[in-house]
Amino acid sequence: EAAVTQSPRSKVAVTGGKVTLSCHQTNNHDYMYWYRQDTGHGLRLIHYSYVADSTEKGDIPDGYKASRPSQENFSLILELASLSQTAVYFCASRDNYAEQFFGPGTRLTVL
Amino acid sequence: GDSVTQTEGLVTLTEGLPVMLNCTYQTIYSNPFLFWYVQHLNESPRLLLKSFTDNKRTEHQGFHATLHKSSSSFHLQKSSAQLSDSALYYCALSPQGGRALIFGTGTTVSVSP
Repeated sequence: EAAVTQSPRSKVAVTGGKVTLSCHQTNNHDYMYWYRQDTGHGLRLIHYSYVADSTEKGDIPDGYKASRPSQENFSLILELASLSQTAVYFCASRDNYAEQFFGPGTRLTVL
Repeated sequence: GDSVTQTEGLVTLTEGLPVMLNCTYQTIYSNPFLFWYVQHLNESPRLLLKSFTDNKRTEHQGFHATLHKSSSSFHLQKSSAQLSDSALYYCALSPQGGRALIFGTGTTVSVSP
């Protein structure tokens, strides 16, 4: 069954440390996205990609990098994690009618 | 720029009563795609409804919405709320079916017996 999976599902990181969140999709979709969710802010777009080896900045890219090594995989990288990056992170892929399919989310806590 | 406005942050109601969640949008494009996503506690958002046809009602799982381009609205309605409808609801816009979805801030619905 086509799906979007994320790993890890939860992560505790230390301030200043490096964090990598991974996403894998079997939907055969070109577009993939990373969002963060915070209470009161809804879902905000961090980075997205429409083809392998290329990424684009979303609305809140500062402090985040992204990597798309293949159509199926899309990673979000926090080089120097900060307290303000504590949030739930969702990955999604998109079909040709703009519908997005979300992964289960990663709960990141930065201490 | 493109934006989505959901005016209610929290809606509380009793089971059996009707539900209406407001969604208005702004975009310069004439053919936007509008979506409603629902997110239950500790789950990820999933699609509830979508539309890109003006003045056509779309329905799913007892919910319905009609895209009105004249008023830039896509309100979500249900005639009788159920306990299982308690969730976070996002309205989202894809301008001209393009790059990414623009989400509203979400409306939390809490249904009590």
